Amino acid sequence: GAVVSQHPSWVICKSGTSVKIECRSLDFQATTMFWYRQFPKQSLMLMATSNEGSKATYEQGVEKDKFLINHASLTLSTLTVTSAHPEDSSFYICSARGTSGRVGNEQFFGPGTRLTVL
Amino acid sequence: QKEVEQNSGPLSVPEGAIASLNCTYSDRVSQSFFWYRQYSGKSPELIMSIYSNGDKEDGRFTAQLNKASQYVSLLIRDSQPSDSATYLCAVNGGGSNYKLTFGKGTLLTVNP
Repeated sequence: GAVVSQHPSWVICKSGTSVKIECRSLDFQATTMFWYRQFPKQSLMLMATSNEGSKATYEQGVEKDKFLINHASLTLSTLTVTSAHPEDSSFYICSARGTSGRVGNEQFFGPGTRLTVL
Repeated sequence: QKEVEQNSGPLSVPEGAIASLNCTYSDRVSQSFFWYRQYSGKSPELIMSIYSNGDKEDGRFTAQLNKASQYVSLLIRDSQPSDSATYLCAVNGGGSNYKLTFGKGTLLTVNP
Protein backbone atom coordinates (compact mmCIF):
# COMPACT_ATOMS: atom_id res chain seq x y z
CA GLY A 1 0.00 0.00 0.00
CA ALA A 2 0.82 3.73 -0.11
CA VAL A 3 1.91 3.86 -3.73
CA VAL A 4 2.58 7.17 -5.45
CA SER A 5 3.13 7.46 -9.18
CA GLN A 6 4.54 10.25 -11.30
CA HIS A 7 4.28 10.94 -14.98
CA PRO A 8 6.34 11.39 -17.02
CA SER A 9 9.42 9.72 -15.58
CA TRP A 10 11.64 11.86 -17.74
CA VAL A 11 11.14 14.74 -20.15
CA ILE A 12 13.36 16.74 -22.46
CA CYS A 13 12.07 20.08 -23.67
CA LYS A 14 13.25 23.22 -25.39
CA SER A 15 13.92 26.39 -23.48
CA GLY A 16 10.81 28.54 -23.16
CA THR A 17 8.29 25.72 -23.22
CA SER A 18 6.11 24.57 -20.34
CA VAL A 19 6.16 21.11 -18.83
CA LYS A 20 3.44 19.48 -16.71
CA ILE A 21 4.25 16.73 -14.20
CA GLU A 22 1.52 14.62 -12.63
CA CYS A 23 1.62 13.04 -9.19
CA ARG A 24 -0.98 10.46 -8.23
CA SER A 25 -1.66 8.52 -5.05
CA LEU A 26 -2.84 5.14 -6.28
CA ASP A 27 -4.22 3.42 -3.22
CA PHE A 28 -4.94 6.16 -0.70
CA GLN A 29 -6.39 9.63 -0.58
CA ALA A 30 -3.70 12.27 -0.32
CA THR A 31 -4.89 15.35 1.49
CA THR A 32 -1.43 16.84 1.25
CA MET A 33 1.13 16.55 -1.49
CA PHE A 34 4.62 17.95 -1.50
CA TRP A 35 6.85 18.88 -4.41
CA TYR A 36 10.62 18.64 -4.11
CA ARG A 37 13.52 19.38 -6.39
CA GLN A 38 16.87 17.66 -6.19
CA PHE A 39 20.02 18.74 -7.99
CA PRO A 40 22.88 16.24 -8.50
CA LYS A 41 24.62 15.25 -5.28
CA GLN A 42 22.39 17.51 -3.22
CA SER A 43 19.58 16.78 -0.82
CA LEU A 44 15.90 17.24 -1.39
CA MET A 45 14.66 20.81 -1.39
CA LEU A 46 10.98 21.35 -0.68
CA MET A 47 9.40 23.62 -3.25
CA ALA A 48 5.79 23.73 -2.13
CA THR A 49 3.07 22.06 -0.15
CA SER A 50 -0.33 21.56 -1.71
CA ASN A 51 -3.55 20.70 0.03
CA GLU A 52 -6.53 19.39 -1.87
CA GLY A 53 -8.85 22.18 -2.91
CA SER A 54 -6.69 25.06 -1.77
CA LYS A 55 -3.77 27.10 -3.04
CA ALA A 56 -0.29 25.72 -2.65
CA THR A 57 2.11 27.12 -0.09
CA TYR A 58 5.49 27.87 -1.62
CA GLU A 59 8.83 27.83 0.14
CA GLN A 60 10.89 30.95 0.28
CA GLY A 61 12.69 31.61 -2.99
CA VAL A 62 10.38 29.47 -5.12
CA GLU A 63 8.53 31.46 -7.78
CA LYS A 64 4.88 30.57 -7.63
CA ASP A 65 4.21 32.00 -11.09
CA LYS A 66 6.91 29.81 -12.57
CA PHE A 67 6.02 26.60 -10.76
CA LEU A 68 2.25 26.26 -10.94
CA ILE A 69 0.76 23.67 -8.63
CA ASN A 70 -2.77 22.32 -8.79
CA HIS A 71 -4.22 19.81 -6.34
CA ALA A 72 -7.71 19.37 -7.71
CA SER A 73 -8.53 15.98 -6.25
CA LEU A 74 -7.51 13.74 -3.38
CA THR A 75 -5.42 11.59 -5.69
CA LEU A 76 -3.86 14.04 -8.14
CA SER A 77 -1.54 17.01 -7.97
CA THR A 78 0.22 18.62 -10.91
CA LEU A 79 3.32 20.77 -11.17
CA THR A 80 3.73 22.89 -14.27
CA VAL A 81 7.12 24.41 -14.96
CA THR A 82 6.35 27.42 -17.10
CA SER A 83 8.80 28.91 -19.58
CA ALA A 84 11.42 26.39 -18.60
CA HIS A 85 15.10 27.29 -18.85
CA PRO A 86 18.22 25.13 -18.60
CA GLU A 87 18.67 26.05 -14.93
CA ASP A 88 15.32 24.37 -14.23
CA SER A 89 16.80 21.04 -15.26
CA SER A 90 16.54 18.87 -12.19
CA PHE A 91 14.95 15.82 -10.59
CA TYR A 92 11.43 16.70 -9.48
CA ILE A 93 9.88 14.42 -6.87
CA CYS A 94 6.45 14.50 -5.30
CA SER A 95 5.33 12.93 -2.07
CA ALA A 96 1.91 12.38 -0.60
CA ARG A 97 0.41 12.13 2.82
CA GLY A 98 -3.00 10.74 3.68
CA THR A 99 -5.45 11.40 6.43
CA SER A 100 -4.99 8.69 9.00
CA GLY A 101 -3.06 5.66 10.05
CA ARG A 102 0.33 5.07 8.56
CA VAL A 103 -0.32 7.25 5.52
CA GLY A 104 -1.43 10.01 7.86
CA ASN A 105 1.91 10.13 9.61
CA GLU A 106 4.34 9.46 6.80
CA GLN A 107 5.20 10.84 3.39
CA PHE A 108 5.44 8.46 0.49
CA PHE A 109 7.44 9.47 -2.53
CA GLY A 110 6.76 9.08 -6.20
CA PRO A 111 9.52 7.77 -8.48
CA GLY A 112 10.48 11.24 -9.65
CA THR A 113 10.59 13.08 -12.97
CA ARG A 114 13.88 13.99 -14.53
CA LEU A 115 13.56 17.24 -16.47
CA THR A 116 16.16 18.34 -18.98
CA VAL A 117 15.74 21.73 -20.60
CA LEU A 118 17.82 22.29 -23.72
CA GLN B 1 16.07 27.95 10.74
CA LYS B 2 15.40 24.27 11.32
CA GLU B 3 18.44 22.15 10.59
CA VAL B 4 19.09 18.47 10.25
CA GLU B 5 22.73 17.42 10.24
CA GLN B 6 24.21 14.19 9.00
CA ASN B 7 27.76 13.04 8.35
CA SER B 8 28.07 13.15 4.59
CA GLY B 9 30.36 10.15 4.53
CA PRO B 10 31.08 8.17 2.59
CA LEU B 11 30.73 5.45 5.18
CA SER B 12 32.26 2.21 4.07
CA VAL B 13 31.64 -1.10 5.87
CA PRO B 14 32.36 -4.71 4.95
CA GLU B 15 29.52 -7.06 4.12
CA GLY B 16 27.99 -8.53 7.27
CA ALA B 17 29.07 -5.66 9.51
CA ILE B 18 26.88 -3.17 11.35
CA ALA B 19 26.48 0.22 9.69
CA SER B 20 25.73 3.11 12.02
CA LEU B 21 24.21 6.31 10.65
CA ASN B 22 23.73 9.40 12.79
CA CYS B 23 21.58 12.50 12.63
CA THR B 24 21.07 15.55 14.85
CA TYR B 25 18.34 18.13 14.60
CA SER B 26 17.97 21.66 15.87
CA ASP B 27 14.23 22.05 16.48
CA ARG B 28 13.42 20.82 19.99
CA VAL B 29 9.70 20.54 19.26
CA SER B 30 10.23 18.01 16.48
CA GLN B 31 7.90 15.07 16.88
CA SER B 32 8.41 12.61 14.05
CA PHE B 33 11.61 11.21 12.63
CA PHE B 34 12.20 9.23 9.48
CA TRP B 35 14.96 7.44 7.65
CA TYR B 36 14.78 7.24 3.88
CA ARG B 37 17.03 5.28 1.57
CA GLN B 38 17.83 6.72 -1.84
CA TYR B 39 19.59 4.79 -4.54
CA SER B 40 21.47 6.80 -7.15
CA GLY B 41 19.06 8.28 -9.67
CA LYS B 42 15.98 7.12 -7.75
CA SER B 43 13.56 8.76 -5.38
CA PRO B 44 13.68 8.23 -1.59
CA GLU B 45 12.12 5.16 -0.07
CA LEU B 46 10.88 5.21 3.52
CA ILE B 47 12.55 2.51 5.59
CA MET B 48 11.95 3.55 9.20
CA SER B 49 9.86 5.96 11.23
CA ILE B 50 10.19 6.64 14.95
CA TYR B 51 8.14 8.87 17.20
CA SER B 52 9.15 8.18 20.80
CA ASN B 53 12.41 7.84 22.68
CA GLY B 54 14.14 4.51 22.56
CA ASP B 55 14.71 1.87 19.94
CA LYS B 56 12.51 0.62 17.16
CA GLU B 57 13.48 -2.50 15.27
CA ASP B 58 12.31 -3.69 11.87
CA GLY B 59 14.19 -6.62 10.45
CA ARG B 60 17.85 -5.67 10.06
CA PHE B 61 17.13 -2.01 10.79
CA THR B 62 17.01 -0.35 14.21
CA ALA B 63 16.19 3.30 14.69
CA GLN B 64 17.15 5.00 17.92
CA LEU B 65 15.76 8.29 19.17
CA ASN B 66 16.95 10.50 22.00
CA LYS B 67 14.90 13.68 22.11
CA ALA B 68 16.86 15.13 25.03
CA SER B 69 20.03 14.97 22.96
CA GLN B 70 18.16 15.80 19.72
CA TYR B 71 19.71 12.76 18.15
CA VAL B 72 18.39 9.98 15.96
CA SER B 73 20.34 7.09 14.51
CA LEU B 74 19.90 4.12 12.21
CA LEU B 75 21.70 0.82 12.64
CA ILE B 76 21.83 -1.66 9.81
CA ARG B 77 22.82 -5.15 10.93
CA ASP B 78 24.33 -7.75 8.63
CA SER B 79 24.94 -5.10 5.98
CA GLN B 80 24.55 -6.25 2.39
CA PRO B 81 25.94 -4.74 -0.81
CA SER B 82 22.34 -3.95 -1.75
CA ASP B 83 22.23 -1.58 1.25
CA SER B 84 24.72 0.69 -0.54
CA ALA B 85 22.81 3.94 -0.99
CA THR B 86 22.40 7.41 0.45
CA TYR B 87 20.46 7.48 3.70
CA LEU B 88 18.43 10.57 4.40
CA CYS B 89 17.32 11.62 7.86
CA ALA B 90 14.09 13.62 7.91
CA VAL B 91 12.38 15.44 10.74
CA ASN B 92 8.81 16.67 11.06
CA GLY B 93 8.52 19.70 13.25
CA GLY B 94 4.94 18.87 14.13
CA GLY B 95 3.24 21.71 12.35
CA SER B 96 -0.13 21.20 10.74
CA ASN B 97 1.44 21.07 7.30
CA TYR B 98 3.56 18.02 8.12
CA LYS B 99 6.58 19.39 6.31
CA LEU B 100 9.78 17.39 6.51
CA THR B 101 13.24 18.84 6.85
CA PHE B 102 15.86 16.61 5.29
CA GLY B 103 19.51 16.21 6.08
CA LYS B 104 21.99 16.12 3.23
CA GLY B 105 22.30 12.38 3.51
CA THR B 106 25.05 9.88 4.29
CA LEU B 107 26.44 7.77 1.48
CA LEU B 108 26.88 4.18 2.63
CA THR B 109 28.98 1.67 0.72
CA VAL B 110 28.91 -1.99 1.73
CA ASN B 111 31.88 -3.85 0.32
CA PRO B 112 31.49 -7.53 -0.63
